[in-house]
Amino acid sequence: AQSVTQPDIHITVSEGASLELRCNYSYGATPYLFWYVQSPGQGLQLLLKYFSGDTLVQGIKGFEAEFKRSQSSFNLRKPSVHWSDAAEYFCAVGRLLEYGNKLVFGAGTILRVKS
Amino acid sequence: EAQVTQNPRYLITVTGKKLTVTCSQNMNHEYMSWYRQDPGLGLRQIYYSMNVEVTDKGDVPEGYKVSRKEKRNFPLILESPSPNQTSLYFCASSLQGGNSPLHFGNGTRLTVT
Repeated sequence: AQSVTQPDIHITVSEGASLELRCNYSYGATPYLFWYVQSPGQGLQLLLKYFSGDTLVQGIKGFEAEFKRSQSSFNLRKPSVHWSDAAEYFCAVGRLLEYGNKLVFGAGTILRVKS
Repeated sequence: EAQVTQNPRYLITVTGKKLTVTCSQNMNHEYMSWYRQDPGLGLRQIYYSMNVEVTDKGDVPEGYKVSRKEKRNFPLILESPSPNQTSLYFCASSLQGGNSPLHFGNGTRLTVT
């Protein structure tokens, strides 16, 4: 069965510092991988996605993620964090089924940014 | 503006009193889905719909019903709510399921006493 693990429940970084949020997945085939961000009181917004091809994908707001098949990981990175990046981040893995879109989310990582 | 609209944003009810949370999207999306979000558990899928009149169970369907009579609407029905259904609920839609990115509503926080 698919599963997604985000090992860090909370992360605190200083404004301007680099960021890496970890995501590991368990899935038998090549997955579809997503990162979503949830700001307080809001729904989730797609940051980036990986389906195939180049393993380094660029997203919105200066985020990028790298797919590493050998490590079953899809870590999210940003070189310089801004205070507005404080939010909860969700990694998700999906696959096409005959009759549905099976998307499994990780438990989320809450990012705090200190000035 | 393209959006997914859920109502209400907040709802407090008592055990056993039937309720409906509405969801509407204006993007002509084929696929719609309901999730619940609980601390430490992330989002779990309740039900989804690939198209009008086509719905199927997600991971946690017990205690919920849905219907998809029109493409734009996908209400979530709790026939007899219980306290363990206290949660934050999200409706989402995408162009055609599969690898299409999901668009989320702003959520409905439900409290069942």
